[in-house]
Amino acid sequence: GQQLNQSPQSMFIQEGEDVSMNCTSSSIFNTWLWYKQDPGEGPVLLIALYKAGELTSNGRLTAQFGITRKDSFLNISASIPSDVGIYFCAGSQHPQGAQKLVFGQGTRLTINP
Amino acid sequence: DVKVTQSSRYLVKRTGEKVFLECVQDMDHENMFWYRQDPGLGLRLIYFSYDVKMKEKGDIPEGYSVSREKKERFSLILESASTNQTSMYLCASSYIPPVQYFGAGTRLSVL
Repeated sequence: GQQLNQSPQSMFIQEGEDVSMNCTSSSIFNTWLWYKQDPGEGPVLLIALYKAGELTSNGRLTAQFGITRKDSFLNISASIPSDVGIYFCAGSQHPQGAQKLVFGQGTRLTINP
Repeated sequence: DVKVTQSSRYLVKRTGEKVFLECVQDMDHENMFWYRQDPGLGLRLIYFSYDVKMKEKGDIPEGYSVSREKKERFSLILESASTNQTSMYLCASSYIPPVQYFGAGTRLSVL
């Protein structure tokens, strides 16, 4: 099946640093979603983006829907230990493509205290 | 808050056994999904359902079947479990597309 290109695959940073990750695709998406997965748990929705160019914040997290509708990025400012986990992007072509999401392979974030 | 509950967090089964993974959502969502998650392969869609008794194949349906007799419950069935089905299984549901809400996952080991 289709997959999004998510980078980087992993990040090792110091506490307090800012983090940036992105997703790209050769296809256009109408919605971009960002999820976080803690070890041994299911993904939890962080941010949903519905319009090209949209910039949305959720606390220290900021995500943008690319103008071309083929990419999105997620920034985390002033990282803290509980930010550790795997971050997934997901795109939807709804109303085309039914209800299915296309996922990136994830960015694993590790923080050194 | 949306709640998607998977009946087991961990399961250990033997090769050839029939395995049932259960998922229940409490928000009257139309759409429900089953994924498996493997290191390096991300989330892969097995089956989804957009209504009671309706089902559609995802990207990797081979070796699996599903059942949706009631709106709130979506079951994944491994007819004859094999070792290559050892994985993390995630259930999700959605109402306002396309946002999906996930359960905590079931880690299945097939020995």
